[in-house]
Amino acid sequence: QKEVEQDPGPLSVPEGAIVSLNCTYSNSAFQYFMWYRQYSRKGPELLMYTYSSGNKEDGRFTAQVDKSSKYISLFIRDSQPSDSATYLCAMSAAAGNKLTFGGGTRVLVKP
Amino acid sequence: GAVVSQHPSRVICKSGTSVKIECRSLDFQATTMFWYRQFPKQSLMLMATSNEGSKATYEQGVEKDKFLINHASLTLSTLTVTSAHPEDSSFYICSARDSGGRYEQFFGPGTRLTVL
Repeated sequence: QKEVEQDPGPLSVPEGAIVSLNCTYSNSAFQYFMWYRQYSRKGPELLMYTYSSGNKEDGRFTAQVDKSSKYISLFIRDSQPSDSATYLCAMSAAAGNKLTFGGGTRVLVKP
Repeated sequence: GAVVSQHPSRVICKSGTSVKIECRSLDFQATTMFWYRQFPKQSLMLMATSNEGSKATYEQGVEKDKFLINHASLTLSTLTVTSAHPEDSSFYICSARDSGGRYEQFFGPGTRLTVL
């Protein structure tokens, strides 16, 4: 079993819909949680960075962390075709330490 | 925002040759950089952690003599794939951690290596 599980998708939504992504993990030591967006043949781009449990909002993005359930989510409101990409969750046990990635979810936002 | 560059973006080489990939943090200092490889439609797999001025720490299963890492300055780390073979063909991505207090990792654009 992988340390971090993420549905590979693809997740197809119409433009303007809410995109809902999630990851589950098994290592209770993870304290820092990140979401990255990766376009094809490009490096990942950091979207959200959160510590411990709770919610964090930044523009159209909302990240949620539930450590008791070992479950994290990313919501994208008012989705645009330009949001079509692969979304990777990542986590670490200590700030700045090596990251453990989920497998990524491919998202397709249709105009 | 923090910018990380990689050079070259794409390289094609013959089997048996060595290839060097550079990773630079352009607007911040990075005492720690990480090297990943990514196969098509798969996630990133950490190869090694590169610390400025000291030896890199390799993940289990990664050959340190094949993937040489040098982190000679606070803004530059290099990965050299020695005696490359077709199975080394992959997308190599570096990330850098800002030493100035932020703990986020910022990724470079990646280098696509094709070994013929």
